[in-house]
Amino acid sequence: ETGVTQTPRHLVMGMTNKKSLKCEQHLGHNAMYWYKQSAKKPLELMFVYSLEERVENNSVPSRFSPECPNSSHLFLHLHTLQPEDSALYLCASSQNSGAGELFFGEGSRLTVL
Amino acid sequence: GIQVEQSPPDLILQEGANSTLRCNFSDSVNNLQWFHQNPWGQLINLFYIPSGTKQNGRLSATTVATERYSLLYISSSQTTDSGVYFCAVEGGSGGSNYKLTFGKGTLLTVNP
Repeated sequence: ETGVTQTPRHLVMGMTNKKSLKCEQHLGHNAMYWYKQSAKKPLELMFVYSLEERVENNSVPSRFSPECPNSSHLFLHLHTLQPEDSALYLCASSQNSGAGELFFGEGSRLTVL
Repeated sequence: GIQVEQSPPDLILQEGANSTLRCNFSDSVNNLQWFHQNPWGQLINLFYIPSGTKQNGRLSATTVATERYSLLYISSSQTTDSGVYFCAVEGGSGGSNYKLTFGKGTLLTVNP
């Protein structure tokens, strides 16, 4: 138990569906992150939020839309995805967005048909 | 940006054996972390170690920042140690303060 919870753990969706991934952290941290892990690739940073403000958007397609309503919750809204978007999506948090320990959730494994 | 290389890419051990995993990086860092990804996908934070040596049970890590490498030692390995070990670094000239760059990982298999 790392203090970061992701739901759902598994998601299968069609290319025309709209779905959302949810992340919640119970660590009192101020920064939250979305990472993407595809097969045989290093983890890729997608988005960073610090105190609910987006500070990084790492050239992610607009079909991925993040939302951070408060410092404990982070969403990733998915719309019109492609099969190549199938991957493990990992949420993480840290005390601040500067250097410091990163704590990951268990991941949401997404399959796009 | 900063480059991170991990070796070996794959490692197979018998239970009880010791091992050393290496992480080389191409620039100065202000953050280095080791993670273990279990077979279910979760990344567990092992060490936050931008410099120096730390120990936690059967695991220990050493980072020599001036020589740009870090080592993760696993002693008396167990089958539950199986998974992928990632090194991630942050810093270097031109890098973002909050952007960890991950290596490709070392896949460790511990056989009973």
